[in-house]
Amino acid sequence: QVQLVQSGAEVKEPGASVKVSCKASGYDFTYYFIHWVRQAPGQGLEWMGIINPSGGITNYAQKFQGRVTMTRDTSASTVYMELRSLKSEDTAVFYCARSEGSSHFDVWGRGTLVTVSS
Amino acid sequence: QLVLTQSPSASASLGASVKLTCTLTRGPSFYAIAWLQQQPEKGPRYLMTVNSDGSHSKGDGIPDRLSGSSSGTERYLTISSLQSEDEADYYCQTWGTGMWVFGGGTKLTVL
Repeated sequence: QVQLVQSGAEVKEPGASVKVSCKASGYDFTYYFIHWVRQAPGQGLEWMGIINPSGGITNYAQKFQGRVTMTRDTSASTVYMELRSLKSEDTAVFYCARSEGSSHFDVWGRGTLVTVSS
Repeated sequence: QLVLTQSPSASASLGASVKLTCTLTRGPSFYAIAWLQQQPEKGPRYLMTVNSDGSHSKGDGIPDRLSGSSSGTERYLTISSLQSEDEADYYCQTWGTGMWVFGGGTKLTVL
């Protein structure tokens, strides 16, 4: 069964960093790209960036460049997304999703709620 | 830069049909788009990909009463025999030159 299992909810103070994990199972981890998507409360979906688990190459949306880092651990079939210098506006659910190359997202994680509050 | 435009809301009666529209406002008119469904308090779910020629391919388990079509820069999702569980947000998505974008979403209300 193909699954992306994300880490649990986090509460962070403004200015802190958060690192969310996404563990893949049921398929060849290095064959599919992994993306991260942000969804603020009551808002739409926003693409943050992509990582190729095969070589670790990343590409970030311009809005998040300099503040986000995506990494992977192939031995654990896990991808990580770290977002730094958190602001209250970063309060959102973060999803990981996979794509077969340049294509649609066919499998999604359940999401991780990150709350930024003092 | 790629931009997709969707109407914020749509409504239709139980058992009726509804056609949702996604417009490629900026970007090549030949691009394919994907439709996603997000039910309340759930994550997004892939429904189908719609190509510029109107052909479409569905995800696993997507019922026949959902179909896709295309005309020019517009891509459509038609849902027939509306059921209560179809009440959800529907997003379109496209991709190109190393980036992915989503439309703003359409909130579908089943009356």
